[in-house]
Amino acid sequence: QSALTQPASVSGSPGQSITISCTGASGNVGRYDLVSWYQQRPGQVPKLMIYKVTSRPSGVSNRFSGSKSGNTASLTISGLRAEDEGDYYCCSYLGGNTYLFGTGTTVTVL
Amino acid sequence: QVQVVQSGAEVKKPGASVKVSCKSSGYTLSSYYIHWVRQAPGQGLEWLGIINPSGGSTNYAQKFQGRVTMTSETSTSTVYMELRGLISEDTAVYYCARLRPTFDAFDFWGQGTMVTVSS
Repeated sequence: QSALTQPASVSGSPGQSITISCTGASGNVGRYDLVSWYQQRPGQVPKLMIYKVTSRPSGVSNRFSGSKSGNTASLTISGLRAEDEGDYYCCSYLGGNTYLFGTGTTVTVL
Repeated sequence: QVQVVQSGAEVKKPGASVKVSCKSSGYTLSSYYIHWVRQAPGQGLEWLGIINPSGGSTNYAQKFQGRVTMTSETSTSTVYMELRGLISEDTAVYYCARLRPTFDAFDFWGQGTMVTVSS
C-alpha cells in the first residue's frame, strides 16, 4: 500500500502557525480515529506528538494540535519556534493490526 | 523508567540475512505490542510489521511478507527482527517501537540499528 500523502515541505516565520496535511483514504485515515504524528529532528529518534487524531502526550507543548476531516488528518503548530524544525510524519491504522506512515514533511522556520 | 535498547550496526552482503534485537526494560514486555519501522538514508519511515510478545503472533507489511520474521523472548524481554535475502535497498536504520496499550500510537522507540547492505 502506498504511503499516506504529506506535503514535502512547509515553512513559516517564528510566531506564525503552520498546518501539515496527511491524506489517506476511506479505508485508513477516513475510517479510524487512530492517526498519530511524530517529530523527528536530524539524527534523532521519532517522537510522538499527537495520538488518536487530537490527543497530546504529557510533556508535548499545547502549541501542537491535531484534527481530521474526511480522509485527511492535519497537524497544526502554533507560535512556531526554531526548535520545531525537523521532519514530521503521520501514521494511520489500517485494520488487521497493520499501520501506514505518511511520506513525511520537512518543517523549516524562516 | 522505560528503555528500549537495540543491537549494534551491521554490515551484510547482498543475499545475506540480518537479525536485529530490541531489549525492553522498565515495563512488562508481554503487555505491549512491538513494531518494527525502518528509514532508508534521507528517506521517510516505513512500517515493517508488529509482534505481540505474549504468544508471538505477528502481522507483516505485505511488502516484506516471506522475507521478514519477528520473534520474542519474554524471559529476556527481547524481541527480534530477521530480514532475509538482503538487497542494497534494505540499507536503512531499523527501529523497534512500543505500541501504546490503546493501539493508537508508538510511545517509546529504540535508538535504531543501522543495517548496511554492500558487496
